[in-house]
Amino acid sequence: GAVVSQHPSWVICKSGTSVKIECRSLDFQATTMFWYRQFPKQSLMLMATSNEGSKATYEQGVEKDKFLINHASLTLSTLTVTSAHPEDSSFYICSAQRTFFGPGTRLTVL
Amino acid sequence: ILNVEQSPQSLHVQEGDSTNFTCSFPSSNFYALHWYRWETAKSPEALFVMTLNGDEKKKGRISATLNTKEGYSYLYIKGSQPEDSATYLCASINNNDMRFGAGTRLTVKP
Repeated sequence: GAVVSQHPSWVICKSGTSVKIECRSLDFQATTMFWYRQFPKQSLMLMATSNEGSKATYEQGVEKDKFLINHASLTLSTLTVTSAHPEDSSFYICSAQRTFFGPGTRLTVL
Repeated sequence: ILNVEQSPQSLHVQEGDSTNFTCSFPSSNFYALHWYRWETAKSPEALFVMTLNGDEKKKGRISATLNTKEGYSYLYIKGSQPEDSATYLCASINNNDMRFGAGTRLTVKP
């Protein structure tokens, strides 16, 4: 089946730094990728929809200047959390075609 | 129901027991219902996609039913095995908006 990889699987950073998370479709092309965030004991919440070659579409309440999404190729989408703060600590996971998920990235901001 | 809700939140069963859990979702403007199996540190794995009222799908010992009129889906596991231990997520697509439940965490004790 289709495989989506995500890197890194976990990251710990200091407050104020930026963190980039990569999501790759390994054996298929994904024109659209979805980025989700999950806080403990809560549902996956859609943050943004990433379209190859165009601007991402952000959900209400998600700051586009803070969560930068780039989908420069059909196999790679990146999410950059800029000037991370402790409240950004969460589990971030990407999905291609709403069916194939990466394994997620656990971000901890100190 | 505006959100997708799953119950129970967690479940512990003995090996060999059969079990089931529920996903409730908005019935208006319904398009599809997805079930995923999510093991710790791995990617969520798609189990079923159901669209029609009365749909029943089966994959090995796991089966699911769908009632779009009343907005619920059941997932059944027959003869649970320790390897079935995982979080089972459902997600409903309504008006092209995909929303996830918080999952049911299943632990099967040998």
